[in-house]
Amino acid sequence: DTGVSQNPRHKITKRGQNVTFRCDPISEHNRLYWYRQTLGQGPEFLTYFQNEAQLEKSRLLSDRFSAERPKGSFSTLEIQRTEQGDSAMYLCASSSGLAVQETQYFGPGTRLLVL
Amino acid sequence: AQSVTQLDSHVSVSEGTPVLLRCNYSSSYSPSLFWYVQHPNKGLQLLLKYTSAATLVKGINGFEAEFKKSETSFHLTKPSAHMSDAAEYFCVVSDENGGFKTIFGAGTRLFVKA
Repeated sequence: DTGVSQNPRHKITKRGQNVTFRCDPISEHNRLYWYRQTLGQGPEFLTYFQNEAQLEKSRLLSDRFSAERPKGSFSTLEIQRTEQGDSAMYLCASSSGLAVQETQYFGPGTRLLVL
Repeated sequence: AQSVTQLDSHVSVSEGTPVLLRCNYSSSYSPSLFWYVQHPNKGLQLLLKYTSAATLVKGINGFEAEFKKSETSFHLTKPSAHMSDAAEYFCVVSDENGGFKTIFGAGTRLFVKA
């Protein structure tokens, strides 16, 4: 399978705990994106990387959220001190090239439930 | 500022009849426009995209969309609905003017009746 993969697919945690999600993009895709999708809504952009550089962060990405892409390949999204409002599907996508019109290929997502 | 409005949250059609999913956008620059489909428990899949070439864009599974700058619209159509088209559809606008932005619409749920 050469698509975007995300792990874990599901995560249940208690409020206040830290969680980390991983995204493996399509090989050699230089752009990687993180989105959050809540029930009944479209995905909301969180952040994106071009290679290892984090170039854009949404105001939705509070101080409790941090994302990394240390070697320009896989990426991790960490949420510290989770809150019930963090419950959502977290989507990762990747694209090749440098242009905004490049197609983003999405992974299956990680569904987070904060109790 | 960028925005995307999908004018219908739900659309219901009978199998074999035409599909129209409406999308209006607002962008201060020349945007790229996309339609994605999301089937239950599956990832988002690109249907088609407009990137300042031909204004009528053909996508997969018989879908097409027309970019109308004067109306700031990018409606998705299909001549004949199939049961397998039942899914959530998202209109997306993307540009890099003033920083990279990708904005998804709220989605339109398409129901197809037998």
